[in-house]
Amino acid sequence: QSALTQPASVSGSPGQSITISCTGTSSDVGTYNYVSWYQQHPGKAPKLMIFDVTDRPSGVSTRFSGSKSGNTASLTISGLQAEDEADYYCSSYIGNNNLIFGGGTKVTVL
Amino acid sequence: QLRLQESGPGLVKPSETLSLTCAVSAGSISSSDHYWGWIRQPPGKGLEWVGSVYYTGSTHYNPSLKSRVTISVDTSKNQVSLKLNSVTAADTAVYYCARQQRKYNGVCSEFDPWGQGTLVTVSS
Repeated sequence: QSALTQPASVSGSPGQSITISCTGTSSDVGTYNYVSWYQQHPGKAPKLMIFDVTDRPSGVSTRFSGSKSGNTASLTISGLQAEDEADYYCSSYIGNNNLIFGGGTKVTVL
Repeated sequence: QLRLQESGPGLVKPSETLSLTCAVSAGSISSSDHYWGWIRQPPGKGLEWVGSVYYTGSTHYNPSLKSRVTISVDTSKNQVSLKLNSVTAADTAVYYCARQQRKYNGVCSEFDPWGQGTLVTVSS
């Protein structure tokens, strides 16, 4: 199973909104509503930001939102802030209690 | 607040076995709602799920690593262990342990929280 496809980088100015895509296939993202998103700052462990496509864990800013259309899931960051600069990874359930990650997207705040 | 702490040798020789332990504190590993997973990240690269274990000992492994991986649980010590045999330089990575949510239908999905990770280098 190949990794999910994410853009290598996305950038935006403070206050803007950006969207990161995560493209899979009909065997993973397209079939299951178990897509998660993680934020990782340099040298730190990943942090869960979105699960089950659209749900936010307690404590995660409402500026982060998730969605899905067909085989592509998306993470939108609204009101971009300097602290949002990090790597972001998507993950999808692929059946038989297996899952895969995306290649990661570096978000730069200009 | 649940805390996970990975530990083990930072240097392993090629062809030998990588062994790591994840100690769970401020929470029980014997939770019916959670699996406990290992995820790795080669330097400068992305995340790769290695495998997960339930408190009963039931396991799920990444098919690409299945032949070399063993994940086990010790409920008396509240810890999870990872063994990866026949390692090569390609197994050099930061290894994370994390709690994985088990859904009502048995699906295991998101990881939260994560340990701080431990770097394992494979080199002679």
